[in-house]
Amino acid sequence: TQLLEQSPQFLSIQEGENLTVYCNSSSVFSSLQWYRQEPGEGPVLLVTVVTGGEVKKLKRLTFQFGDARKDSSLHITAAQPGDTGLYLCAGARSSNTGKLIFGQGTTLQVKP
Amino acid sequence: KAGVTQTPRYLIKTRGQQVTLSCSPISGHRSVSWYQQTPGQGLQFLFEYFSETQRNKGNFPGRFSGRQFSNSRSEMNVSTLELGDSALYLCASSLLYGGNEQYFGPGTRLTVT
Repeated sequence: TQLLEQSPQFLSIQEGENLTVYCNSSSVFSSLQWYRQEPGEGPVLLVTVVTGGEVKKLKRLTFQFGDARKDSSLHITAAQPGDTGLYLCAGARSSNTGKLIFGQGTTLQVKP
Repeated sequence: KAGVTQTPRYLIKTRGQQVTLSCSPISGHRSVSWYQQTPGQGLQFLFEYFSETQRNKGNFPGRFSGRQFSNSRSEMNVSTLELGDSALYLCASSLLYGGNEQYFGPGTRLTVT
């Protein structure tokens, strides 16, 4: 059972377009993190959201945690080829565990 | 500050053999978690260590084991390797136990033939 469903799984867009990646669950998470992973490397932490309804911005990336803390989204404005990679959402069911539950990931390709 | 380091980066083993992977966390980080990443299953949690004690364990067979040393460095061991154990094994460290913000190493790519 996949507790975190990510969509879409694959996304190929042109440079300058906007996109949104979704991470949904029927379970409540105490926090949710977004990572970006490049081939042959480990995931790199982009952001952690903790409070329901929280919105965080990282340059052209906007992250939102759902009010009920069951879902999250990542919006990229004016995508660049350097944004290409695998985007992963990961949730923690409680604050007393280092066990993260990962979504299957969204592979993003941004063409010049 | 140096990041999480994992050794070796690549490993080829034969079915039935055993393997030990090593992880050095970020300096000052005391919690280490291990994950297995495969194309079919994605990232799956193996175990978490803090203060040399296993705090959480994922749904993996007993062939997968680990330990943590007093300097927070960690090792994981897989015995009686199977073809399905071929994967990228990732180690992540966090400052405290239950630290949800985890920082990953580059991983060890294990291939079982």
